Amino acid sequence: DIVMTQSPASLAVSLGERATINCKSSRSVLNTSRNKNYLSWYQQKPGQPPKLLIYWASTRESGVPDRFSGSGSGTDFTLTISSLQAEDVAVYYCHQYYDTPLTFGGGTKVEIK
Amino acid sequence: EVQLLESGGDLVQPGGSLRLSCAASGFTFSNYGVSWVRQAPGTGLEWVSSIGTSGYSTYYSDSVKGRFTISRDNSKNTLYLQMNRLRAEDTARYYCAKHVGAGLIVDAFDIWGQGTLVTVSS
Repeated sequence: DIVMTQSPASLAVSLGERATINCKSSRSVLNTSRNKNYLSWYQQKPGQPPKLLIYWASTRESGVPDRFSGSGSGTDFTLTISSLQAEDVAVYYCHQYYDTPLTFGGGTKVEIK
Repeated sequence: EVQLLESGGDLVQPGGSLRLSCAASGFTFSNYGVSWVRQAPGTGLEWVSSIGTSGYSTYYSDSVKGRFTISRDNSKNTLYLQMNRLRAEDTARYYCAKHVGAGLIVDAFDIWGQGTLVTVSS
């Protein structure tokens, strides 16, 4: 199984400041023939289902604010919120869909400092 | 509006069975793979099962393989999860989720339902 490890587990950031969440996979999720990383990011607010933010590691889902960006390749990935807003308080998950079993990271809780 | 609506969650005794349903609307259901993802109370997300567009291709997590069966009825725009031999550790909110790309059996998930709660307890 591909193990997804997120860090930190929680993060407190001031409004307007940058938040950075890391995700490391136990093996590469890069499909070299397609040059695509099978990695997505989700935001989950309390009492709500997850919401897709980023797929193919860096493609922003339609309607997602451009302060959210994804980067990385192979085994190391980052979700960046460039200027944290109050509505960004949530738990964020990375997810690999390179191989079954599909796996998620343990989550990173983002709060306001 | 693209929407998924789960139903069928309930309180069930260990060893019992339950069938979850997920009604899709607002998109051509038969063109997309779909999955079940669960979340135990206060914990993270766990993938359960995925099914391709025709229903012939299916994948399961090891924790449910042999006990759960995923299926779909494209004429009814509905996804199912038959859950047998339920255990306490199956207690979770079960979400159905639509795949991003048409035709892909494994993919990211762009549309999620609100989930249905399954509680396994005596």
